[in-house]
Order: sequence, then C-alpha cells, then structure tokens
Amino acid sequence: SQQGEEDPQALSIQEGENATMNCSYKTSINNLQWYRQNSGRGLVHLILIRSNEREKHSGRLRVTLDTSKKSSSLLITASRAADTASYFCATGPPVVGNEKLTFGTGTRLTIIP
Amino acid sequence: DGGITQSPKYLFRKEGQNVTLSCEQNLNHDAMYWYRQDPGQGLRLIYYSQIVNDFQKGDIAEGYSVSREKKESFPLTVTSAQKNPTAFYLCASSIGPGISNQPQHFGDGTRLSIL
Repeated sequence: SQQGEEDPQALSIQEGENATMNCSYKTSINNLQWYRQNSGRGLVHLILIRSNEREKHSGRLRVTLDTSKKSSSLLITASRAADTASYFCATGPPVVGNEKLTFGTGTRLTIIP
Repeated sequence: DGGITQSPKYLFRKEGQNVTLSCEQNLNHDAMYWYRQDPGQGLRLIYYSQIVNDFQKGDIAEGYSVSREKKESFPLTVTSAQKNPTAFYLCASSIGPGISNQPQHFGDGTRLSIL
C-alpha cells in the first residue's frame, strides 16, 4: 500500500527557479527519504531525514520534516535542466531493523531551459 | 565501482512461460529487494531478503518467486501465474538488518513485456 503521497503530481518550471515538492504520509515513521529517478533508470538516493530531525541540507537540496503534520518537503534551489526527473519520497517504519521502505507515487519535475 | 547490476534490460514473456530476472550486487549488502513499477506509479514491494537463505513476501508477491542462495544474488522469477507481468522491475539493496536509517541502492531495472 502507498504510504506517501507527493504533491504536485507534475511540476514545470524555468531553469534557475526553485522547485518545491511535498510528501504526506499516514503512519508513524523512523525516517523519510527522497529519491530521484531519471526516465528509464533506477532510483538514486538523495537525502535521508530522521524522525527527530526537522531540516536537512545537501548541496542545492533542502528537506524539511514536520512529524506533527506527517509531511515533508523537498526544495531544489537554482534548478538546472539536469534536475528533470521524477522525485519520490519513501518512509521507513518505526521498527528498527525492518528496513522495508514504502514509496509514494512521485512528482514529475520538468525544467524548461 | 560497487553497484547493482540487473539483466537483461528488456525481456519478453510468452503466455504460460516463466522468466527469471537477474540481480547481482557487489556492495557487500545483506538486504536486497525487488520492486515493481507501473507507468506513472510509485514502487510496490514484491519480495525482500534481509539475509542469505531468508526472504519475505512484500505487498504484491503473488505470481512471483525468489531465491537467496548467495549474498550477492537475488533472482526474481515471474511465473505464468502472474497474469499482468508487464512492468518495470527494480532491484535494490541496503546494508542490512540491525542498522536503521539506511538508503537503498538501485539497479537500472528490467522492462518486462508480454509477447
């Protein structure tokens, strides 16, 4: 069953603008992860945020987590054409040692040159 | 370079035929996973294995089978009982049980179609 729901389903922005994607989930989590998928390829891990963290940065990526609202956001700053991809959130269950992730349905991001 | 290799990249299945998708990793990871992705959808877990000689059903295991005889290999068989096998299949691995907050590493997938 899908745990996460990304919003919006699709997003098109001009190169250089910032892109924000949101993820909402339903049950308690241990961690939340964001992945990128280029067309026809596997997923690439971007960033992991633990349930006791509120914000995390990695290069041009900024992830926030609000466990009270059961939601997370991924911000990509100064977007580039190479950022065109689908982005998925995935949640890890609260039971340590069970590393089964549950993935959302994804946001398709298109960067217009 | 360490990574996950899936083969073949494209696979065609005839009616009544079983087909096997290969997944090999050289990351020395204990845990491995198989996902199915349908167009415009997220990933759904088919089977996962946290250690050699052990595996568990995921959310959509019916019509699929796996084995885990070696740490580096986790083949997936799509049996004739799977009536709608057309999808993109992704294999992944992570360090393993007992260590929380792990990212998963993915292969580049196998696209399976029905002839």
